Amino acid sequence: QSVLTQPPSVSAAPGQKVTISCSGSSYNIENNYVSWYQQLPGTAPKLLIYDNTKRPSGIPDRFSGSKSGTSATLGITGLQTGDEADYYCATWASSLSIVVFGGGTKLTVL
Amino acid sequence: EVQLVESGGGLVQPGGSLRVSCAASGFSFSTVWMSWVRQAPGKGLEWVANIKEDGSEKYYVDSVKGRFTISRDNADNSLHLQMNSLTTEDTAVYYCVRGSGSRKFDYWGQGTLVTVSS
Repeated sequence: QSVLTQPPSVSAAPGQKVTISCSGSSYNIENNYVSWYQQLPGTAPKLLIYDNTKRPSGIPDRFSGSKSGTSATLGITGLQTGDEADYYCATWASSLSIVVFGGGTKLTVL
Repeated sequence: EVQLVESGGGLVQPGGSLRVSCAASGFSFSTVWMSWVRQAPGKGLEWVANIKEDGSEKYYVDSVKGRFTISRDNADNSLHLQMNSLTTEDTAVYYCVRGSGSRKFDYWGQGTLVTVSS
């Protein structure tokens, strides 16, 4: 049972948009930054979004992040088959001095 | 180019010990927090521990407190994780990661597999 709650799976057609939610609490998401990671099959995770909304260099603007209260959302537009991956949210749980991850969401591009 | 290369994984019996290491290059190692994140087979990501730039602060997930020790050697740009009293629950790919996780983990190694089995 992860501290941050994500839907186990989402799916959409190529070219469409999808959102992935990450639900937490006042002990983690509400008062800390959220980051998002993409893990393609058989590879190490890669940073997609940090500080709730920022994209590292090289990440296309098809990927976006937002945060409101105790929840965060990853948005992906113009879906491509190459976006099929597992996506994880993460944040600092300041009261516990630990990093927490969501359980991960498997994206299928139909 | 930032590179993180893990080593030291392998098969160990329950109750045994193992030390995994990470060689860092391509950035100023002594100026950044570093972390270990693991992933059990078929499961999600789990943060294990992190360490401040100068090693003066260390944090651990509850499940490894008292058994695992994170350390670093800024002289040779290396990060280590000493794992004692291993159980089957510790079987995972262990990733060396740049950052504390409070804002981001921006670079990941390829991971090293630790298998705890009799």
